[in-house]
Amino acid sequence: GAGVSQSPRYKVAKRGQDVALRCDPISGHVSLFWYQQALGQGPEFLTYFQNEAQLDKSGLPSDRFFAERPEGSVSTLKIQRTQQEDSAVYLCASSATTGWTGELFFGEGSRLTVL
Amino acid sequence: KQEVTQIPAALSVPEGENLVLNCSFTDSAIYNLQWFRQDPGKGLTSLLLIQSSQREQTSGRLNASLDKSSGRSTLYIAASQPGDSATYLCAVSSGGSEKLVFGKGTKLTVNP
Repeated sequence: GAGVSQSPRYKVAKRGQDVALRCDPISGHVSLFWYQQALGQGPEFLTYFQNEAQLDKSGLPSDRFFAERPEGSVSTLKIQRTQQEDSAVYLCASSATTGWTGELFFGEGSRLTVL
Repeated sequence: KQEVTQIPAALSVPEGENLVLNCSFTDSAIYNLQWFRQDPGKGLTSLLLIQSSQREQTSGRLNASLDKSSGRSTLYIAASQPGDSATYLCAVSSGGSEKLVFGKGTKLTVNP
């Protein structure tokens, strides 16, 4: 596609519900990142994929957070038993390269509100 | 642990003014530094990417400089326009990781 696409754009969940957020990266992009952005803050790293391999998940805040990219393209971020502190915008980004030379392209994000 | 600070948190200027946004980072062993723009309710748009071996990058009215030894970068915007109003974020890649560490951003308002 022309850009990084995320869905849903907005999600309201009741505390305790499970949610799944989808990211369609730019076609052919090798690297895929998930970031969490709280209101008024900069994005914070959650996890990184190189193709289908999850190489870094050090930013996932708890074992309730799980991400996958089974075929090296579309990625899903799943949050189990949502809590109010999970309310944030979840941003996906992709890059054509690995390493530190690549420009990152971000989607518009999925805004999660947990009531 | 890498920390990124952006000053000021907010800036309001009249149209046509030249301005500078500041970014500092605590660990000078970075691989690259990127400046992004974020409009309300939108994702991030990459503006400039500076590799660790470079000292500056330019794109149109934007110029970003990098001083690794002092842990600083500046984003210079020439002849500001109301359309430049947005939050500007600085991020660095370091520590053997692919991830970016972001500052909290500078919210810029350019008044007509």
